Amino acid sequence: EVQVVESGGGLAQPGGSLRLSCAASGFTFNSYDMKWVRQAPGKGLEWLSHISSSSSIIYYADSVKGRFTISRDNAKNSLYLQMNSLRAEDSAVYYCAASKQYYYMDVWGKGATVTVSS
Amino acid sequence: EIVLTQSPGTLSLSPGERATLSCRASQNISSTYLAWYQQKPGQAPRLLIYGASSRATGIPDRFSGSGSGTDFTLTISRLEPEDFAVYYCQQCGGSPLWTFGQGTKVEIK
Repeated sequence: EVQVVESGGGLAQPGGSLRLSCAASGFTFNSYDMKWVRQAPGKGLEWLSHISSSSSIIYYADSVKGRFTISRDNAKNSLYLQMNSLRAEDSAVYYCAASKQYYYMDVWGKGATVTVSS
Repeated sequence: EIVLTQSPGTLSLSPGERATLSCRASQNISSTYLAWYQQKPGQAPRLLIYGASSRATGIPDRFSGSGSGTDFTLTISRLEPEDFAVYYCQQCGGSPLWTFGQGTKVEIK
């Protein structure tokens, strides 16, 4: 079964850090670009970051640039998002998504909830 | 920045009816880079349509996409109970590189 599963969500204090992981299975991970997308409670979808299959191309949304770092380990079929300097407005469900073609998102995980609060 | 505006915000229809959802871009985008997703409460989004009109794997043929330039449409020919959900359009190529519309909720009338 083709799937991605996020983990690592939880409660963090403002200014704190969290690291999200995404485990992929059922497809050739090293052939897919990957993205992180988030959804604040009751809101729409916001793209955060993209990493190409070989990690050679990385993009960030302005809202997280300089604070979040995307990375992947193709040997472990895993994607990561290191989140630093967290703010209350970063509270959201964070989705990992796989892209066969970089311009859309084929496979989505169920999401990991991040809450930033003191 | 390319802004995608979806209309209507909410569509109230009965099962069996036709749903027509609109996505308007603030500037021309290539059809290749326009996708539609469905999201049910508490679930992740699911890819329905890519390249403006190509159905993703496993998507029933009652879902169809069309459009070009700045105006794109998702049509559900006959609503099934499982189709009541929120639908998002998404584009690639602007700044930020990937953006979503604000969503259209299709609810049971």
